[in-house]
Amino acid sequence: ETGVTQTPRHLVMGMTNKKSLKCEQHLGHNAMYWYKQSAKKPLELMFVYNFKEQTENNSVPSRFSPECPNSSHLFLHLHTLQPEDSALYLCASSQAYGYTFGSGTRLTVV
Amino acid sequence: GQQLNQSPQSMFIQEGEDVSMNCTSSSIFNTWLWYKQDPGEGPVLLIALYKAGELTSNGRLTAQFGITRKDSFLNISASIPSDVGIYFCAGQLGLQGAQKLVFGQGTRLTINP
Repeated sequence: ETGVTQTPRHLVMGMTNKKSLKCEQHLGHNAMYWYKQSAKKPLELMFVYNFKEQTENNSVPSRFSPECPNSSHLFLHLHTLQPEDSALYLCASSQAYGYTFGSGTRLTVV
Repeated sequence: GQQLNQSPQSMFIQEGEDVSMNCTSSSIFNTWLWYKQDPGEGPVLLIALYKAGELTSNGRLTAQFGITRKDSFLNISASIPSDVGIYFCAGQLGLQGAQKLVFGQGTRLTINP
């Protein structure tokens, strides 16, 4: 398998649930990212990891908790989310120029 | 913070027409990138521009890196139905390590057959 793979593709969760999004890249890239994409808004950077160390947390609420165990895997742990957190969550990786994105997880919070 | 102004926000065209969209910024970028996003998928890189003034083509797509490094345009010639989607410009500052891309708001392209 190549590229950036995100699972699950779709997720519906209640506000009291705990769930995790997974991202895996097979490109040998050193940096990985989480982005949030809401309707009619620009892509919002959430977290940046470089060589599995977090280098940026873009003022993201603590109900979103990232984890990067190695340079190939990135998780986003979710708990007590709000309906306004419903969005497409995109993972990306990079080495030098530009990003390679995954297909995203469509999250719906009910 | 840094912002990219992308226009137009949406376009409705006939199949076969040419398309033009652009991005401007108040900040200088070292690299400009153009992405396309199909429904239910992540953005896919179309063209990357590395030098001010650079003009690059990829099939029916042509993009230019503005001489001031604060703007870029993307042209699509002879549009076809599979060109439908959302097009994003992005500016990149750094050249190594983890990158922060700044994205435009996107241009939604709709094609009438």
